[in-house]
Amino acid sequence: QKEVEQDPGPLSVPEGAIVSLNCTYSNSAFQYFMWYRQYSRKGPELLMYTYSSGNKEDGRFTAQVDKSSKYISLFIRDSQPSDSATYLCAMSAGSGNTGKLIFGQGTTLQVKP
Amino acid sequence: KAGVTQTPRYLIKTRGQQVTLSCSPISGHRSVSWYQQTPGQGLQFLFEYFSETQRNKGNFPGRFSGRQFSNSRSEMNVSTLELGDSALYLCASSPDTVRETQYFGPGTRLLVL
Repeated sequence: QKEVEQDPGPLSVPEGAIVSLNCTYSNSAFQYFMWYRQYSRKGPELLMYTYSSGNKEDGRFTAQVDKSSKYISLFIRDSQPSDSATYLCAMSAGSGNTGKLIFGQGTTLQVKP
Repeated sequence: KAGVTQTPRYLIKTRGQQVTLSCSPISGHRSVSWYQQTPGQGLQFLFEYFSETQRNKGNFPGRFSGRQFSNSRSEMNVSTLELGDSALYLCASSPDTVRETQYFGPGTRLLVL
């Protein structure tokens, strides 16, 4: 079983929809939670970073972390065709594993005009 | 600030050869991490360097090695290439304060024939 599970999709939504992307994990030592966006043939781009539990909002993006359920989410409001990409969750335990990110497989999102 | 740069962007090698990839981090970042991305395994952590020292290592064979220079630039080397080493190799840099917030370069796409 992978440490981080993420549904690969693809997920197809109409423009303007609210998108929900999720990851589950098994390692209770994870403290740092990130979301990356990766366009085809590009490197991942850091979207959101959260330490420990709670919510964080940045523009149309909201990240949620529920450590009790080992579940994290990324919500995208008013989705745009330019949001079409692969979304990767990443986690780290920090401490002795500082700098080592464990990634989910990524969810492919298509936003249709 | 300029982003993370990686050279070369594309590389074709044959089995048994060796290859060296280069990464220049964002100015001021002293942490550099390397990842391998394949369709089957996703993004997997190779190693992290901070202040010229390897701080963390992933589960890759000893054929994969790296180093970091005093100006924080980093190189990774793969010796005795195998077909399965064909992948996108990504380098990421991060600030000292939160080494989990990693900023990725565009990657080097390696094809082993």
